[in-house]
Amino acid sequence: QVQLQESGPGLVKPSQTLSLTCTVSGGSITTGSFFWSWIRQPAGKGLEWIGRIYTDGSPTYNPSLKSRMSMSLDTSKNQFSLKLNSVTAADTAVYYCARLEVTSLNLDYWGQGALVTVSS
Amino acid sequence: EVVMTQSPATLSVSPGETATLSCRASHSVGPNLAWYQQKPGQAPRLLIYAASTRATGVPARFSGSGSGTEFTLTISSLQSEDFAVYFCHQYNGWLNTFGQGTKLEIK
Repeated sequence: QVQLQESGPGLVKPSQTLSLTCTVSGGSITTGSFFWSWIRQPAGKGLEWIGRIYTDGSPTYNPSLKSRMSMSLDTSKNQFSLKLNSVTAADTAVYYCARLEVTSLNLDYWGQGALVTVSS
Repeated sequence: EVVMTQSPATLSVSPGETATLSCRASHSVGPNLAWYQQKPGQAPRLLIYAASTRATGVPARFSGSGSGTEFTLTISSLQSEDFAVYFCHQYNGWLNTFGQGTKLEIK
């Protein structure tokens, strides 16, 4: 059974960098059948797609966040990561990592989510 | 960007009855639409993909329909565990977008 787990600081100061890691178990992130994705959800609001990264390391970012973000893979640890620079209170949200199947483009497995609060 | 609009925002239905949730896309997304269920404190769960295909393990009382810009999720014979928030998700192209959600509550 595939499982994803987010980890990272729960509190980030304004203007600093948000860093999250997703550890994947039960399957390899190098399998060519999946993209590895980040989605976020501010409290009481809907979901926002942040971006995805393929097994070759090529990312695709939401244009609204592109200038501030980067994603990467660590195949030795079976992890992928998100960095979001220059954060503001508007970046406060639950951040989910998820697996996106290449063929169906469905987000079929999700992590439990990590709450990140931006506050001084 | 394709904007997804869900209606109603909140739907009150009695257990055992049928709930009908709607999702409208600002531009055609073909059949490339999924529905997710989310319960408090939990990650979303994939219910329906390709507009009408149930994901593995999803009960038959969940059904999806539609194509292009108009989509519907129907939940028949509502069970207590079905009361949750439902999101639609379009994946027609690389920029995925989600609806704002419909909260299905017990009447």
